[in-house]
Amino acid sequence: DAKTTQPPSMDCAEGRAANLPCNHSTISGNEYVYWYRQIHSQGPQYIIHGLKNNETNEMASLIITEDRKSSTLILPHATLRDTAVYYCISPPGTYKYIFGTGTRLKVLA
Amino acid sequence: NAGVTQTPKFQVLKTGQSMTLQCAQDMNHNSMYWYRQDPGMGLRLIYYSASEGTTDKGEVPNGYNVSRLNKREFSLRLESAAPSQTSVYFCASRGGQAGYEQYFGPGTRLTVT
Repeated sequence: DAKTTQPPSMDCAEGRAANLPCNHSTISGNEYVYWYRQIHSQGPQYIIHGLKNNETNEMASLIITEDRKSSTLILPHATLRDTAVYYCISPPGTYKYIFGTGTRLKVLA
Repeated sequence: NAGVTQTPKFQVLKTGQSMTLQCAQDMNHNSMYWYRQDPGMGLRLIYYSASEGTTDKGEVPNGYNVSRLNKREFSLRLESAAPSQTSVYFCASRGGQAGYEQYFGPGTRLTVT
């Protein structure tokens, strides 16, 4: 299984970019990297995923290093509503997700 | 589309009682999942169903059983509830192919006294 490690917490000023790192040094060639977030005690919400190339959608950007051993989720202009726990996941195969404890991002006014 | 729905939203059980948590999805997804989340912790996979008619154990399957009733519905049963099963339970579904994301329900908050 590709294990991921994330810092337990981070702060970010409102309006600034939030850069959340994830280490997945044991990832294999066909394993995707997914990012989810969980606001309060709601169900996790999908943000973005990637395999090799950098990805961008309306919520965030995902930068994956060339060796695929780490990635960074970028929220370009963080708002108070982005305060949440962010999970980086790299499931082995198609089905089995291991969530871990994630990074608790606090956006400060 | 309602997405992923779960019932009930809240439940209190006494030790030894049984109950079934219901989950349904209307996205025609192949795969469905049950997770639990204890206070201050990440989600842990209990069971999953890669497709209709199949189920497999996750990280923490002890004390639980599941049934994939049809493509839409995936239920989780606690046969004899224990206080250690006090948790928030989330159901999720996904398309079943690599590169597809999971969609989560709102959760069931279960307390076992």
